[in-house]
Formats: sequence, structure tokens, C-alpha cells
Amino acid sequence: DAKTTQPNSMESNEEEPVHLPCNHSTISGTDYIHWYRQLPSQGPEYVIHGLTSNVNNRMASLAIAEDRKSSTLILHRATLRDAAVYYCILRDVRGGSNYKLTFGKGTLLTVNP
Amino acid sequence: DTAVSQTPKYLVTQMGNDKSIKCEQNLGHDTMYWYKQDSKKFLKIMFSYNNKELIINETVPNRFSPKSPDKAHLNLHINSLELGDSAVYFCASSQGTFTQPQHFGDGTRLSIL
Repeated sequence: DAKTTQPNSMESNEEEPVHLPCNHSTISGTDYIHWYRQLPSQGPEYVIHGLTSNVNNRMASLAIAEDRKSSTLILHRATLRDAAVYYCILRDVRGGSNYKLTFGKGTLLTVNP
Repeated sequence: DTAVSQTPKYLVTQMGNDKSIKCEQNLGHDTMYWYKQDSKKFLKIMFSYNNKELIINETVPNRFSPKSPDKAHLNLHINSLELGDSAVYFCASSQGTFTQPQHFGDGTRLSIL
């Protein structure tokens, strides 16, 4: 699986937008960009995914660079409940092991009240 | 209703014992997984079953044996437990295609004395 690079940690204030970056300079044309998050003492939770176009859902937005070498997860108004580790993951549709998720270190997001 | 449920939530046992962790999903998914999260918080895939057939078997000692009696269940049996097996084990499920999100349970924290 192609590698992703994320900052180890970020901090935000409650009710402010948060932009979580992810670099994936070796992304291939068949890699989808997935985001998961893990709240304390819980299992990972799916957030959003995309291929080329920006995506929105009730949890977040995903902005994908035109060259697809980077993406940004946007939380429009951070709440205390958004404090978690956020993982950016590439999933290649071609590979035989495309069912699995390969987690990196992720970004630990702290939200201040 | 809990979508992916694991039992037990906590498991404390001695080295050398044999133990099992159970996982059930009520989402109607056809693919289930076991992940291990070690003390450094890295999440790694161990096994995956699709329609009760093993499709992913990462480099895991053969003391670990998954069993899928039906599509809704994937159990993990561990023989001759070692200190290094202490970790949080997460079960997950998805509907087979790579774009579908994986749904995780809340984990089983295994501690070996």
C-alpha cells in the first residue's frame, strides 16, 4: 500500500474549523483516500473517503489536491467529541489485499474548550 | 443496537493459557476482520474472512486461529498465550467491496500476567 504522511499532533479550539493534512506523494491512479478516526478507548470509526473530487458528508469534508499528492480532512466546527487520532489511509482497488486497512501513526487531534 | 460486538471487553490471564475472543456483527456484512493494536498504538490487520473463507492471513503466529462459523461471526482463539500477546484486539466488518467502510467493535483488551 502507498504510504501517507501526517503530522503527529494538532490542536484546535472548540467550534473552530480544523484542517488535518495528509501527504501521499506516491499515490497511484487506483488509490482511494480513506479517513478513519479513533476516539479514546474505542475502535476506529470511518469518517470519509474519495478518489479525485472533493467529498462532503455529515461528519466532515475531504479536499483532494488536483495532483492527488495530498488531501485535507476538514472538520467544520470542532467539538470536544472530535478529539481523536485521525488516520489517512490509501486503499488500492487492484491489489489482492484490498480488503485490509493499513494504519499509520495518524494525527492526534486535541480540542480545547 | 451494537453493530459489531466483541466479548469479552477485558481478558486477564496467565502465560501459557488458551483463550478465545468472540465477535458478532448484525450489519449483514460478508467480510470480517481481526486487527491487533499494540502498546505503541499501531493497528495491524491479522486476518480477514469473506463469506466464511479466509482471504487475508498476515504474518501471525499459528497459535492464533480464527474461526468463522457463519458470516455474522468471527472468533479468535489463541493458544499458549505469551507476554507479547498483550494488546487490544479489534474485530471489524464490511460489505465486500473495497470502497465500503469497515465497522469496528470497541475492542478486547488482553493482558497477560
